[in-house]
Amino acid sequence: DVQLVDSGGGLVQPGGSLRLSCAASGFSFSVYAMSWVRQAPGKGLEWVSAMSGSGTDTYYADSVKGRFTISRDNSNNMLYLQMSSLRAEDTAIYYCARAEYQLLSCFDYWGQGTLVTVSS
Amino acid sequence: EIQMTQSPSTLSASLGDRVTITCRASQSINNYLAWYQQKPGKAPKLLIYKASNLENAVPSRFSGSGSGTEFTLTISSLQPDDFATYYCQQYNSFSPPLTFGGGTKVEIK
Repeated sequence: DVQLVDSGGGLVQPGGSLRLSCAASGFSFSVYAMSWVRQAPGKGLEWVSAMSGSGTDTYYADSVKGRFTISRDNSNNMLYLQMSSLRAEDTAIYYCARAEYQLLSCFDYWGQGTLVTVSS
Repeated sequence: EIQMTQSPSTLSASLGDRVTITCRASQSINNYLAWYQQKPGKAPKLLIYKASNLENAVPSRFSGSGSGTEFTLTISSLQPDDFATYYCQQYNSFSPPLTFGGGTKVEIK
């Protein structure tokens, strides 16, 4: 079965950094593009970043461009999101999600989410 | 950026009701529209892709329709497990950003 397990969230001060991880299993990880999607408390969904299966292509939302970096380790079936210069408005549950069929697509599998809280 | 507008934001309905949720795009997205269901404390679940294609194992009481800029998600007969929040998402033109509608919460009447 396809499984995505998100981890790495926590409390961080404004201006701080955090790295999120997503462990994938049950499918050929390197074949699939992956994304990060976030959800602020009580709010809707916001796409954050996407990476192709090979890792050669990446996209970012304007709200995180220059502050967040997506990466992946296909040998270990891991997806990462390095977040820096964090702001209060980055507080959210962060989900990794598998692209259904291409880099920028809908998402057929999601992790359980990891909560990032940016506060002093 | 393509804006996605869902209506209504909240919907009160009874078991067995036929429910329709609308999603409008700020420009044509062809059929590149997905629908998700999200329950409290859980990740979203894909229901419909490419506007009208039912994801594997999703009950047939869910259906999607539309093209261009206007789309609908219909639940033919509301069941207890269907009380949740529903989101639409566009993925047209394969260029960022991907955008979601604001969500529709389906509540018990």
